[in-house]
Amino acid sequence: ETGVTQTPRHLVMGMTNKKSLKCEQHLGHNAMYWYKQSAKKPLELMFVYSLEERVENNSVPSRFSPECPNSSHLFLHLHTLQPEDSALYLCASSHYGDSGELFFGEGSRLTVL
Amino acid sequence: KNEVEQSPQNLTAQEGEFITINCSYSVGISALHWLQQHPGGGIVSLFMLSSGKKKHGRLIATINIQEKHSSLHITASHPRDSAVYICAVPVTANFGNEKLTFGTGTRLTIIP
Repeated sequence: ETGVTQTPRHLVMGMTNKKSLKCEQHLGHNAMYWYKQSAKKPLELMFVYSLEERVENNSVPSRFSPECPNSSHLFLHLHTLQPEDSALYLCASSHYGDSGELFFGEGSRLTVL
Repeated sequence: KNEVEQSPQNLTAQEGEFITINCSYSVGISALHWLQQHPGGGIVSLFMLSSGKKKHGRLIATINIQEKHSSLHITASHPRDSAVYICAVPVTANFGNEKLTFGTGTRLTIIP
């Protein structure tokens, strides 16, 4: 239990569906992150939010749309995804900008058919 | 941009053996992270260190800033240590944890 909760843990969707991933933290952190982990590849940073403002968009396609309504919640809205988007999506939180520890969720495993 | 290399990629050992996993990076950093990822996918932060050595239970992490190298050691290894161990460093010296570069991980399997 890291204090970061992700739902759903598993998601299967068609290419025309719209779905959302949710992340929640109550650790008092001011930064939240979305990472993508594809098979046999290192984690890739997708988005960073600091104090609910997006500070990093790492060249992610527009079919991924993040939302951070407050400092405790982070969403990743998914629409018209491709099969190559199938991956483990991990949320993390921390204190922004220092060298402190990252706290990760359990991940949402996405399969796009 | 920092490049991170881990070795070995895969490691299988008998229970009780001393384990060493290595991480090298190319650009000077403020701190290095060691992470553990279990088969279910969740990631746990093991260590964050900027110099010297840290110990937590049977795990020991060391870093040599001048040589841009870190090692993670596990003493008296146990099957429950089986996981993927990931090293991560800031993408450049100007960044902290908000922009990390990750290694591809070392898959450790401990056989009873």
